[in-house]
Amino acid sequence: KAGVTQTPRYLIKTRGQQVTLSCSPISGHRSVSWYQQTPGQGLQFLFEYFSETQRNKGNFPGRFSGRQFSNSRSEMNVSTLELGDSALYLCASSSGLAGGQGNEQFFGPGTRLTVL
Amino acid sequence: SQQGEEDPQALSIQEGENATMNCSYKTSINNLQWYRQNSGRGLVHLILIRSNEREKHSGRLRVTLDTSKKSSSLLITASRAADTASYFCATALASGGSYIPTFGRGTSLIVHP
Repeated sequence: KAGVTQTPRYLIKTRGQQVTLSCSPISGHRSVSWYQQTPGQGLQFLFEYFSETQRNKGNFPGRFSGRQFSNSRSEMNVSTLELGDSALYLCASSSGLAGGQGNEQFFGPGTRLTVL
Repeated sequence: SQQGEEDPQALSIQEGENATMNCSYKTSINNLQWYRQNSGRGLVHLILIRSNEREKHSGRLRVTLDTSKKSSSLLITASRAADTASYFCATALASGGSYIPTFGRGTSLIVHP
């Protein structure tokens, strides 16, 4: 099976701009989760989508949003970028089934976002 | 605050030695997972241990779980330079019909050849 893919791999934006990141999960996986990783805060959960619905949401401001399409591909959007949004954004897919191996997440390589 | 916290933050050993990392967490869990991350890349799932399990093995990896102490350990035996990476524990909290892994800050392991 092909792994989780994320595009773009690197992105440089300026403050105030918006950005859209894309994630294609492993074929057959219905759950896509997004994480933000920074040296200071570590890995923080943004949100999870399952079958096109947001199932869980982390503690991030409304500038961070996402969606999932019928083919399970997901996008996340960050509007009005701030310097502090510079981070590695990781996408992870799983079958989405509760319990057992449904919890195992397969991560993509990430998108490195730099906000200037 | 992070649900899981790894200890030590950093570990430096020689090839062939064993590496032990610990993880402590705060609330009841459904399961606990360990992941590895090579520098600046995505995480790779290593092993999942359920709350009713006490020990699990996978190749050179051995994971223990003590729910009474809310702690877990990851042992890598006969380490190799390729094991150099950051290791994270993730505890699964039930939420919205699924289980969301909450990650600690990780242990940075360096294995010197």
